[in-house]
Amino acid sequence: KQEVTQIPAALSVPEGENLVLNCSFTDSAIYNLQWFRQDPGKGLTSLLLIQSSQREQTSGRLNASLDKSSGRSTLYIAASQPGDSATYLCAVRLYGGANNLFFGTGTRLTVIP
Amino acid sequence: EAGVVQSPRYKIIEKKQPVAFWCNPISGHNTLYWYRQNLGQGPELLIRYENEEAVDDSQLPKDRFSAERLKGVDSTLKIQPAELGDSAVYLCASQRVFSTDTQYFGPGTRLTVL
Repeated sequence: KQEVTQIPAALSVPEGENLVLNCSFTDSAIYNLQWFRQDPGKGLTSLLLIQSSQREQTSGRLNASLDKSSGRSTLYIAASQPGDSATYLCAVRLYGGANNLFFGTGTRLTVIP
Repeated sequence: EAGVVQSPRYKIIEKKQPVAFWCNPISGHNTLYWYRQNLGQGPELLIRYENEEAVDDSQLPKDRFSAERLKGVDSTLKIQPAELGDSAVYLCASQRVFSTDTQYFGPGTRLTVL
């Protein structure tokens, strides 16, 4: 079974700082990897989706990288803002036809004004 | 485009009572998922539908949980009877079939079993 781990579980940074969130997975035969954001009391919002053939994806101040061989992905947030405070989850989709996502436990980010 | 709609948003019940959750996916999305998210954890899949067919229900505790998706649109997830350990957020997501598109999540139903 695919295991997805996110470290750290929680992170507090001052506004304006650049930061990196980490995600690791045990089975490298992934179809794609996604980073989601979850605000308290709300569902998940997809931030970036990286296909297995890609190395990175960028959207605004966010950059996600993927290294399948080492089973790792990082989410880089540049110039953090208080509005970035949320829980960030990574999820992997495996090959085999199923669309099922395996989620990590998330990193709770707090950006201090 | 309207997002995934779920109701109720919150539900508090006593153990052994039944409870039902409703989900309306994004129009045109044939694939529908139900997830359970325990506190401090990531979502875990309960069941996946392709149109009205449940194609993956291996993680659904079938002794007390049931789901249906009549006509391949709206879906209902039921728990009967509820146990204390069922307290969690139940998330519904939808996706266009056979695509590499992302899953779109609803806001979830927070269930508290007393």
